[in-house]
Amino acid sequence: QKEVEQNSGPLSVPEGAIASLNCTYSDRGSQSFFWYRQYSGKSPELIMFIYSNGDKEDGRFTAQLNKASQYVSLLIRDSQPSDSATYLCAVPEYGNKLVFGAGTILRVKS
Amino acid sequence: DGGITQSPKYLFRKEGQNVTLSCEQNLNHDAMYWYRQDPGQGLRLIYYSQIVNDFQKGDIAEGYSVSREKKESFPLTVTSAQKNPTAFYLCASSTGTGRVGELFFGEGSRLTVL
Repeated sequence: QKEVEQNSGPLSVPEGAIASLNCTYSDRGSQSFFWYRQYSGKSPELIMFIYSNGDKEDGRFTAQLNKASQYVSLLIRDSQPSDSATYLCAVPEYGNKLVFGAGTILRVKS
Repeated sequence: DGGITQSPKYLFRKEGQNVTLSCEQNLNHDAMYWYRQDPGQGLRLIYYSQIVNDFQKGDIAEGYSVSREKKESFPLTVTSAQKNPTAFYLCASSTGTGRVGELFFGEGSRLTVL
């Protein structure tokens, strides 16, 4: 089974700063990577996905993929208190399954 | 509106009882999934189904059972054999092969064993 590792945090950043969330994965053959956001007591929602090396930007969010080093990052620019949540990294596994990391808690302080 | 509906949102169970969690979707998605989430942990896959009348065990299937008699429905039964069932249960769906990473989740069902 593929493994997906994340620092559980909490990661605390001041409002307006850049939050950097990291994820490492065990399978060098993994091709796609997904970031989900989960507010406390709620269900996860997909916010970003990336398939190729480099950066992918969507609004204040940037996903960075480095296949050689087997890590994927999520950057949140101009962090807002509403970004405070748990961020889950996920990687597809053989058999059309999605494997999730344990998630990183982000706290944005105003 | 299209989406996934889970019920009940909160459920209390006595030890030794079986309970069934409902999951219905009107997204016309082929694949459906059940995940379990414990405090401070990620999501662990219980069962998944890629097509009607077919389903596969996930990583923690022991003590659980499912059925997929209709495309729209994927109920999960938590049996008395599940020794530690208190958790947050999430149902999800996707369009299937090629889009497996893009899951749509229901609001979840929180099960507590008394």
